[in-house]
Amino acid sequence: GQQLNQSPQSMFIQEGEDVSMNCTSSSIFNTWLWYKQDPGEGPVLLIALYKAGELTSNGRLTAQFGITRKDSFLNISASIPSDVGIYFCAGHSNAGGTSYGKLTFGQGTILTVHP
Amino acid sequence: DGGITQSPKYLFRKEGQNVTLSCEQNLNHDAMYWYRQDPGQGLRLIYYSQIVNDFQKGDIAEGYSVSREKKESFPLTVTSAQKNPTAFYLCASRRQGGYEQYFGPGTRLTVT
Repeated sequence: GQQLNQSPQSMFIQEGEDVSMNCTSSSIFNTWLWYKQDPGEGPVLLIALYKAGELTSNGRLTAQFGITRKDSFLNISASIPSDVGIYFCAGHSNAGGTSYGKLTFGQGTILTVHP
Repeated sequence: DGGITQSPKYLFRKEGQNVTLSCEQNLNHDAMYWYRQDPGQGLRLIYYSQIVNDFQKGDIAEGYSVSREKKESFPLTVTSAQKNPTAFYLCASRRQGGYEQYFGPGTRLTVT
């Protein structure tokens, strides 16, 4: 089955630093999504990407849909303590016919921000 | 406010008992999903439903059952056949034609 390799698994940074994380796959995806999960809560959608090469921002967050359609990147600029949480990538593929909207999720990147 | 609600937030059960987790949405979304999340792991799909009265098994359906009698509701039953039921359970929904899934706040189930 399809798998997403998300890296790094965890990051420990100082407040004010920039953060980069990525997801890669052996399969092509037609949509990439990035979510953030606070401890004990459900994931919240941050950014959705629909076209290869697309670059989209949401405040201090910027995400890109890789040209090959097999990867995606998320950057957080000038991190603050409330950025702490788990960041998940998710991809949707139309391969194999009807996909029923199923998403493939990465394993998550745990972000810790030291004040 | 539109959204997805899951209740209760915390649930405790004795081993051998069935337990039903609630998921309700007022987003008028057609599709609904149940995921399981274990510590330090990603999300694994249990069941999903595209329309009322229809649902499909996900990747880890054994020991679980669902129903979809109303568009707004997609309850999940964790049966006694589920070997490791203690986990964080997340419900999500998606509008027809879109790919984004929107999640509820989750239910943490502890079985002892």
